Amino acid sequence: GENVEQHPSTLSVQEGDSAVIKCTYSDSASNYFPWYKQELGKRPQLIIDIRSNVGEKKDQRIAVTLNKTAKHFSLHITETQPEDSAVYFCAASNAGNQFYFGTGTSLTVIP
Amino acid sequence: GAVVSQHPSRVICKSGTSVKIECRSLDFQATTMFWYRQFPKKSLMLMATSNEGSKATYEQGVEKDKFLINHASLTLSTLTVTSAHPEDSSFYICSARDRSRGGEKLFFGSGTQLSVL
Repeated sequence: GENVEQHPSTLSVQEGDSAVIKCTYSDSASNYFPWYKQELGKRPQLIIDIRSNVGEKKDQRIAVTLNKTAKHFSLHITETQPEDSAVYFCAASNAGNQFYFGTGTSLTVIP
Repeated sequence: GAVVSQHPSRVICKSGTSVKIECRSLDFQATTMFWYRQFPKKSLMLMATSNEGSKATYEQGVEKDKFLINHASLTLSTLTVTSAHPEDSSFYICSARDRSRGGEKLFFGSGTQLSVL
């Protein structure tokens, strides 16, 4: 089955700095890669996603890049704000049949 | 985004009792729903894939007789934790795919915190 690895497990940045979270996957059949933000005690919320036919996608301060050859994808958050503090999960899916999640990154933005 | 409703949000029960958790897609039809288990500060562990009108597909290591899944309609899947024991205490969360809105997008329920005494 699919194996998704995520790094780092914890990340602290100063407000205004950028944050980068990286994930790798093992199954070349995976073709959809969403990122979720989960605040304490709440449900994961989809923040951005990318399909395998695209190398990069951006939505305001958030961007995701995908390298299919190397089987890795990354989340970039620019101009971080305290409200960005949360746990972020990457995931890989093969046509949405199953979703496998990374181990999560706890992001703290220091005011 | 699409709305997925999950109930109850919190359950406290005695060891040996069974607990049923409901997951509903409120504004879309979900032929497939997923059930996850999450430990504190840990990732989402896929337990099973629930398919409407057919048997659920369980991940390796997940006991089928322990975690009963029923997907009786296009908007409802249930997870029943049978004869619950303290080691079953965890955060259980469901999710559903909204194929009508771009195909792959996955939306989550609000989760159920199960505590078995």
